[in-house]
Amino acid sequence: EIVMTQSPATLSVSPGERATLSCRASRSIGSNLAWYQQKPGQAPRLLLYGASARATGVPARFSGSGSEIQFTLTISSLQSEDVALYYCQQYNSWRGTFGQGTKVEVK
Amino acid sequence: QVQLQESGPGLVKPSETLSLTCTVSGGSIRSYYWSWVRQPAGKGLEWIGHIYSSGTANYNESFKSRVTLSIDTSRSHFSLGLSSVTAADTAVYFCARDYFDNGGYYLDSWGQGTQVTVSS
Repeated sequence: EIVMTQSPATLSVSPGERATLSCRASRSIGSNLAWYQQKPGQAPRLLLYGASARATGVPARFSGSGSEIQFTLTISSLQSEDVALYYCQQYNSWRGTFGQGTKVEVK
Repeated sequence: QVQLQESGPGLVKPSETLSLTCTVSGGSIRSYYWSWVRQPAGKGLEWIGHIYSSGTANYNESFKSRVTLSIDTSRSHFSLGLSSVTAADTAVYFCARDYFDNGGYYLDSWGQGTQVTVSS
C-alpha cells in the first residue's frame, strides 16, 4: 500500500496571503496525484489531477506541483471561502489512497 | 454534469449488513468505474472499493472479506453491501465516479454522502 503523508495538519493563513500544503508519497507515483477540497458537511470536491491540472471550474489561485514522491498545493491568495480540509490522493495503483488531510484556517 | 445520490438505512444493528445504493443521473453509468469511500466522524477518507459497469470489481484489502459491490446498468445504480458491521463502521459513506488517467483513477464526481450509524 502506498502511504500518503500530508503536512502540516493545520495551516493558518491571513486573507490574501499564500497557503502552501505538502503531500508526500511513500514511493514514487509519477504524477498520479489528485487534490480534493472538503468543506464542513459537504462531499469532497476534485480540485486538481495529474498533480497540476485544475478540474473544471476551479479558480486559478489553486495550483499544484511536484512529481514522484513530493507534491505541493498552493493557494496563491487565500479567500474566506477556501477554509476547508484538503486531501491528496494517489492513484498510481488501482487502490487509491488518501492523505490524512490538511485543515486550512483564516488567521 | 453527472450527479450521484446515495440512499439506504441510516441505522444498522451490529453484526448485520449495511446496504447502500448510489443512483447516477445526468450521465451514463456505462464505461466507468464507480467507487465507495467512507469517512468516520472527524477522520479522513477511506476508499472501500470500486466496480466497473461490466461488474468487475476491486476492493480495499481491509474490507475484502466483508464487502460486496454490485451494479445495475439498466437502472443506473450501483450498490454497496458491508457485512458483520460494528461500531467502527459508523461513518459517512460517499459514492463517486472514477475517472481514468494515466493508468489510474481519480474521483471526479461525488455524491453528497449518507450517514450510517451502527448501533443496537
